[in-house]
Amino acid sequence: AQSVTQLGSHVSVSEGALVLLRCNYSSSVPPYLFWYVQYPNQGLQLLLKYTTGATLVKGINGFEAEFKKSETSFHLTKPSAHMSDAAEYFCAVSGTGGTSYGKLTFGQGTILTVHP
Amino acid sequence: KAGVTQTPRYLIKTRGQQVTLSCSPISGHRSVSWYQQTPGQGLQFLFEYFSETQRNKGNFPGRFSGRQFSNSRSEMNVSTLELGDSALYLCASSTVAGTQETQYFGPGTRLLVL
Repeated sequence: AQSVTQLGSHVSVSEGALVLLRCNYSSSVPPYLFWYVQYPNQGLQLLLKYTTGATLVKGINGFEAEFKKSETSFHLTKPSAHMSDAAEYFCAVSGTGGTSYGKLTFGQGTILTVHP
Repeated sequence: KAGVTQTPRYLIKTRGQQVTLSCSPISGHRSVSWYQQTPGQGLQFLFEYFSETQRNKGNFPGRFSGRQFSNSRSEMNVSTLELGDSALYLCASSTVAGTQETQYFGPGTRLLVL
């Protein structure tokens, strides 16, 4: 079974500051990891994903995340926050095998607020 | 290429009624997953269909059901609605069967049960 913990339900940063959203996962099999963003009254949009290979993953809008197996973490970062980054961010995990077909297990989400 | 579409976008029902939500996946996508999003429970997996077959199911009561048609469009049905069924229902589609595939989400159907 997989699970995801996002540390901090709310994160507030100033425009231009570093964004760090934390995600730790638990998985009995090698995980596939995803970060999604949700703007108000919209669905989820993929920011980036890790499947295999390079552990530093670059995504859209300047976001990146690093898969650290030893720490079971997949934290999301962006060097300089923009006002348009204000949204809710979800970390998700998928495993392998039949019980994982089509199933993403999500963290509780982190609401990012960006102050001018 | 058009994205995932869901209809209707908003729905108001009363307790005891039933409701059917529709999802049209991205063209060429054969896997459709459904999720329930609530403030208290977050995003929870309902079920997944691939080539008209349910391959996976989450921990929801039997009142929640779904199906997929030969054109990959999917519907989910909730019978005997309860107040707690008020939620945003999201569907997502992906190209093939692998669990590493990206799921592309629709805008959701917001259901309010009175």
